[in-house]
Amino acid sequence: GNSVTQMEGPVTLSEEAFLTINCTYTATGYPSLFWYVQYPGEGLQLLLKATKADDKGSNKGFEATYRKETTSFHLEKGSVQVSDSAVYFCALSRGSARQLTFGSGTQLTVLP
Amino acid sequence: EAGVAQSPRYKIIEKRQSVAFWCNPISGHATLYWYQQILGQGPKLLIQFQNNGVVDDSQLPKDRFSAERLKGVDSTLKIQPAKLEDSAVYLCASSLKREAHLETQYFGPGTRLLVL
Repeated sequence: GNSVTQMEGPVTLSEEAFLTINCTYTATGYPSLFWYVQYPGEGLQLLLKATKADDKGSNKGFEATYRKETTSFHLEKGSVQVSDSAVYFCALSRGSARQLTFGSGTQLTVLP
Repeated sequence: EAGVAQSPRYKIIEKRQSVAFWCNPISGHATLYWYQQILGQGPKLLIQFQNNGVVDDSQLPKDRFSAERLKGVDSTLKIQPAKLEDSAVYLCASSLKREAHLETQYFGPGTRLLVL
């Protein structure tokens, strides 16, 4: 079946540091890939997505590239801010009704 | 535009009691989802509605969980009787259309359930 494996957390960085959160997936065919973010006290929000191989999703300075050869969709940001502190979830969409399958989430804390 | 509304935000019950959660999706969104998020895990889909019909309920524990979406708008998720392992956050999400790979899902703040 479909599955998503995320980098274990929590991750703690200093402001302006480079961020990478690893995500790999298992799925048949060509799933769509997503990163969702959950800020403290808020609901999940879509951060970015990519629907086919080699696509790059980007938003708010975050980027992720759909790599079919390595079945990966790693999240990166060149310079994190304190306001980026949140839980990040990698997800894929596959199947007849295209439901989302989520990874376990990575807690990011950015210190000033 | 108002977001997805859920109530209550928190609920504490004893095992074997029953509980119900309510969700009001974004106006005009045809598709509604209920997810269960156990602490330390990602959300897991329980049931998906398209208007007032069920698209997928394969992961819903039907011996104790039930959900309905009368009139294709609001939805209610019920647990009866609750077990300790039902302690989780229950998330409701909605989207304009059925295809998750094309349409963004918008999530509510969730209902945090603790079963003692």
